[in-house]
Amino acid sequence: GQQVMQIPQYQHVQEGEDFTTYCNSSTTLSNIQWYKQRPGGHPVFLIQLVKSGEVKKQKRLTFQFGEAKKNSSLHITATQTTDVGTYFCAGVSGGDSWGKLQFGAGTQVVVTP
Amino acid sequence: GAVVSQHPSRVICKSGTSVKIECRSLDFQATTMFWYRQFPKQSLMLMATSNEGSKATYEQGVEKDKFLINHASLTLSTLTVTSAHPEDSSFYICSARIRGDTQYFGPGTRLTVL
Repeated sequence: GQQVMQIPQYQHVQEGEDFTTYCNSSTTLSNIQWYKQRPGGHPVFLIQLVKSGEVKKQKRLTFQFGEAKKNSSLHITATQTTDVGTYFCAGVSGGDSWGKLQFGAGTQVVVTP
Repeated sequence: GAVVSQHPSRVICKSGTSVKIECRSLDFQATTMFWYRQFPKQSLMLMATSNEGSKATYEQGVEKDKFLINHASLTLSTLTVTSAHPEDSSFYICSARIRGDTQYFGPGTRLTVL
């Protein structure tokens, strides 16, 4: 079945630094979504990427979808303490009509001032 | 944005009892809802897909007699954990599918079975 791998699982960042989390699917995706989960909270939708090679920006966050629609990345610039949390990518398989999300393991981000 | 509520937010029960968790879409109709389970510091694991008016579709390895799902209306899906045991203790999260494949998640229910 479809598998979504995400690295790194843990990211310790100094405030002001940049970092990137990567996601890779074993199968071609129809779309990929990114979620953020704060400690003790639930996943909150950030963005959805649908097109091959798509790049979207949300302030300091840049999301990319690979040309083959099998990988994606989230890059955060000038990290702030508010960026703390776990970032999950979640892919929808190309053949899935229900829109079921296959979540990556998540990247837990810790920011030190 | 779309709002999904879950009730209760936290429940502690004795081993052998059944627990019902409700998931409601508050300001939209959701034909499809999903139930996930999340262990501490782990990712979300999809348990089942719940469609209004039809039987839920369970993921491989999830016991349908153990985790009963009912999607009685376009705004309500329920998950009942039957004869709960300590290994069922987890964070249960529902989501509702709205436009396209976007899912909005409820706040989750933390179940502790003693």
